[in-house]
Amino acid sequence: SQTIHQWPATLVQPVGSPLSLECTVEGTSNPNLYWYRQAAGRGLQLLFYSVGIGQISSEVPQNLSASRPQDRQFILSSKKLLLSDSGFYLCAWDTGGRLTEAFFGQGTRLTVV
Amino acid sequence: QQQVKQSPQSLIVQKGGISIINCAYENTAFDYFPWYQQFPGKGPALLIAIRPDVSEKKEGRFTISFNKSAKQFSLHIMDSQPGDSATYFCGSLFGNEKLTFGTGTRLTIIP
Repeated sequence: SQTIHQWPATLVQPVGSPLSLECTVEGTSNPNLYWYRQAAGRGLQLLFYSVGIGQISSEVPQNLSASRPQDRQFILSSKKLLLSDSGFYLCAWDTGGRLTEAFFGQGTRLTVV
Repeated sequence: QQQVKQSPQSLIVQKGGISIINCAYENTAFDYFPWYQQFPGKGPALLIAIRPDVSEKKEGRFTISFNKSAKQFSLHIMDSQPGDSATYFCGSLFGNEKLTFGTGTRLTIIP
């Protein structure tokens, strides 16, 4: 069966510090991978998606970047965090076919102080 | 810019009543419209989904109504229960590779 792992669950970081959130998927190959951010009143904002290794599409200009070094690994990074980067970050995957179901990780609650 | 516009932002419904959440879209290239349910502190999970070639899909107490000409779709929860209290997101899929969501509706079912 397929599973998705996302860590850490919670993170408190000072302004200006770097960030690295990791997401890995098991039990499937060549998934589409997504990073979303959930902030109060803004729903699920798509940040990045990837259809393959090294292929990253950015949806929102921002202080963050994403990388996909392996087929089932998706990393969200920042060199210098801003207060506005606080939020609930969710990784997700789907198979990329029609009528696909996306599976979400448990999320990372990031607080920038 | 949201790909789909969702309303209301919050909704309170009495137990046993009907909960209705609406979404509207602009891009006619979208061909898959899912609804996700999210409980506090958890990731969203797929609830029900529809393709634009049908006008309605029902699964248990949950029904999606789809109006292609109006570019609108809605989620109806019949006989709403306290366990249905959650945040609901409508979504759209473009080109099999970009799943985007509305702003969410926080549903509260009161006794």
